[in-house]
Amino acid sequence: KAGVTQTPRYLIKTRGQQVTLSCSPISGHRSVSWYQQTPGQGLQFLFEYFSETQRNKGNFPGRFSGRQFSNSRSEMNVSTLELGDSALYLCASSPFQETQYFGPGTRLLVL
Amino acid sequence: GIQVEQSPPDLILQEGANSTLRCNFSDSVNNLQWFHQNPWGQLINLFYIPSGTKQNGRLSATTVATERYSLLYISSSQTTDSGVYFCAVSSGGGADGLTFGKGTHLIIQP
Repeated sequence: KAGVTQTPRYLIKTRGQQVTLSCSPISGHRSVSWYQQTPGQGLQFLFEYFSETQRNKGNFPGRFSGRQFSNSRSEMNVSTLELGDSALYLCASSPFQETQYFGPGTRLLVL
Repeated sequence: GIQVEQSPPDLILQEGANSTLRCNFSDSVNNLQWFHQNPWGQLINLFYIPSGTKQNGRLSATTVATERYSLLYISSSQTTDSGVYFCAVSSGGGADGLTFGKGTHLIIQP
């Protein structure tokens, strides 16, 4: 099976802009989770989707949002970008609640 | 929320050496995973091990759930083992995200 794919792999934006990141899970996996990794805060959970429903959300402001489509693909959106949003954004998929498989990530730089 | 502490934070070893990485967690968990993050940022699954012992080649892991810790053993280290090793846990159901430790940065010198 193909692994988790994320697009784009690299992105440069300026403050105030918005960005949309995409994640395609492993075929058959219905759960998709998003994480943010920064040098200061480490890896932090953003949100999790299952069958198009957000089941849980981490401690992030409302500028961070996401959605999941009927084919399990997921997008996350960050509006009104801030310098502190510069990070590696990782997507993970899971068949149910066990092993999570991570994609290669999207590196976002906000200038 | 649940707290995860990993030790040591940094480890420098010569090729061929063995190492033990530790993960302590503050509450009971139903999901514990070990990951290796490569230099490009990809998190690679090593073990799903909420309890018990598993082995995969030169790597093995043990989780003692009652004492709230897990150990990752790397034997006969190779330079390709370099990178950051993360322990991640969750105590809820499938909707709960993983809580990650800060990682152990391992450098294997030739």
